[in-house]
Amino acid sequence: ETGVTQTPRHLVMGMTNKKSLKCEQHLGHNAMYWYKQSAKKPLELMFVYSLEERVENNSVPSRFSPECPNSSHLFLHLHTLQPEDSALYLCASSQASLNANTGELFFGEGSRLTVL
Amino acid sequence: QQQVKQSPQSLIVQKGGISIINCAYENTAFDYFPWYQQFPGKGPALLIAIRPDVSEKKEGRFTISFNKSAKQFSLHIMDSQPGDSATYFCAASRAGANSKLTFGKGITLSVRP
Repeated sequence: ETGVTQTPRHLVMGMTNKKSLKCEQHLGHNAMYWYKQSAKKPLELMFVYSLEERVENNSVPSRFSPECPNSSHLFLHLHTLQPEDSALYLCASSQASLNANTGELFFGEGSRLTVL
Repeated sequence: QQQVKQSPQSLIVQKGGISIINCAYENTAFDYFPWYQQFPGKGPALLIAIRPDVSEKKEGRFTISFNKSAKQFSLHIMDSQPGDSATYFCAASRAGANSKLTFGKGITLSVRP
């Protein structure tokens, strides 16, 4: 396995279900991200785990909860989602530095989520 | 408020033509400006990036032009090919710990054979 791997690639769930998205990076990076991609909207940063710090977008609803057990794995736990949460969820990783811009982001292929 | 705005929203170019995508930003503290390319079914990938100490950067058929006073930068694709058909995102970030990229909405480029 190389790069950033996301599973599942497609997920259909009802509003009462609980599911999780998984991301794994094999690049030795120290930062991992969740982005939401919706049609005709900018990529929306949801959560970042970087340099042992978690940063979150305050506009993300609490029905999304991230988990980062180590620098190579990232999860997004989903519960009681709404139809408007249907989107492509992208995981990314980078090599973060204290004094420099965000390094190049390496994205996975995404998990296409449909909420019925 | 959208901090990074792209134009046009979509673009159709004939094979061999020049594709030009523009991006305007609001935050004068931004000092790193990448373009990402995304093919259908794939995640975005870094294409080319520029910092404000230069006005232009070229990599093969791809060129970024940067205008600091106008707070604009653009991507030029020379000799456009059907394989360049993709969605292109501009982005920007500022220096500092845990700086984050702010992305534009993306623009879909179609290169006709």
